[in-house]
This record gives sequence, structure tokens and C-alpha cells, in this order.
Amino acid sequence: DQQVKQNSPSLSVQEGRISILNCDYTNSMFDYFLWYKKYPAEGPTFLISISSIKDKNEDGRFTVFLNKSAKHLSLHIVPSQPGDSAVYFCAAPDSGGSNYKLTFGKGTLLTVNP
Amino acid sequence: DADVTQTPRNRITKTGKRIMLECSQTKGHDRMYWYRQDPGLGLRLIYYSFDVKDINKGEISDGYSVSRQAQAKFSLSLESAIPNQTALYFCATSQAGGNQPQHFGDGTRLSIL
Repeated sequence: DQQVKQNSPSLSVQEGRISILNCDYTNSMFDYFLWYKKYPAEGPTFLISISSIKDKNEDGRFTVFLNKSAKHLSLHIVPSQPGDSAVYFCAAPDSGGSNYKLTFGKGTLLTVNP
Repeated sequence: DADVTQTPRNRITKTGKRIMLECSQTKGHDRMYWYRQDPGLGLRLIYYSFDVKDINKGEISDGYSVSRQAQAKFSLSLESAIPNQTALYFCATSQAGGNQPQHFGDGTRLSIL
């Protein structure tokens, strides 16, 4: 069973608009979440994270929101740029923040059109 | 220069062959990991190592083995490759301690015919 779910395989937005990528989780023990970005022919790169003690974390154009009661998090990119076109993975560590066993969602392909 | 280097980047081989994928890092991290990615799926953990003397199985370790030759080197072996091991393989590293992000290499694309 999938503990981290990204139900949208793809998303297309116009340059300058907001991109919202969603992630749901089922394991209430998860207390830390990460977003990774992956370009073709490259490995995933860490983008932003959030601890369960917060409901928002912001880093430049990227903001992650966490709704613990709904077991839902989202990544907002504002404004979106063509260089943001990539696959985005949501991930959570299995063991209380030890971050040694990440469970990944299947990813969402974001395309930002000029 | 890449901090996490995987070799080879691409490999095509035949069923039954032994294959080794290598990973080296210059980040000085204690923890290293091997993942595989299949089309339409997220990354799944094969093995991980907290230090040279510590090796642990991940979610999908059957058919794989690993060796941690040094703090900076972690290799993945397929003793007798089979076609359903065709995938993209990633090595990652992280610092010890809680909530440390993992840093990934650029992957090895492995095809088994």
C-alpha cells in the first residue's frame, strides 16, 4: 500500500502563474516531509522540507503547506518559470525523522509553458 | 564536480550476468543508500548503510547485494541479472542525525536483455 500518494501524474501551467503540487499520506507517524525535483538524466535534488510542528515553510518562490488533520501537503511555486519544468517527488522518512528510509510518491511532472 | 558519482551511467547486459554499480562521494557523509526507479513509480530503497560496518536491507533487497568498501564508496551488485531488474538506479548520501536531506547521484540506467 502506498503511504505517500501523488495523485496527479502531470500538471501544466503558464509561466508567471502559480503551480500547486499535491501530496497525501496515510501514515500518521510521519513527522517530516521533503520535496525533491528531478530533471531528465539527473538525480533528484532536495528542494524544501517541512516538519510536522509547522504548517508552512517558505524558501523564495517555493512554499510548502502541511495540513496534518487532512494528511495533505502541497508545494506552491510562485511565479512559475520554464526552468521549473521537472518531476516533483514528495517524500517522508519512515522512522520519526531519522531520514534513513524515505518513502517516495510516484511523482508529478510539471510543465511550465512560456 | 559531482559530489555523488555513479558509474557506469548506462549499462546494457544479458540475463544471468553479474553486474556491479559503483557509487563514490566527496561529501563526507556517513550514510549511503541505493534506490531503484521504475517508470511511473517513485524511488524504492534497496539497501542502506549508516557506516562502513553497517548494512541494512531496504524495501526491495531480493536479488541484490551491496558492499561498503570505505566511507566514500558503496557498490551495488546484481549477482545474476534478470530482465525485471531493468531500471534506473540511484545512489544517495546523507549526514547522520535527524531530518537530513539525502543527496543523489545522477543515476545508472541499467537494461537487462
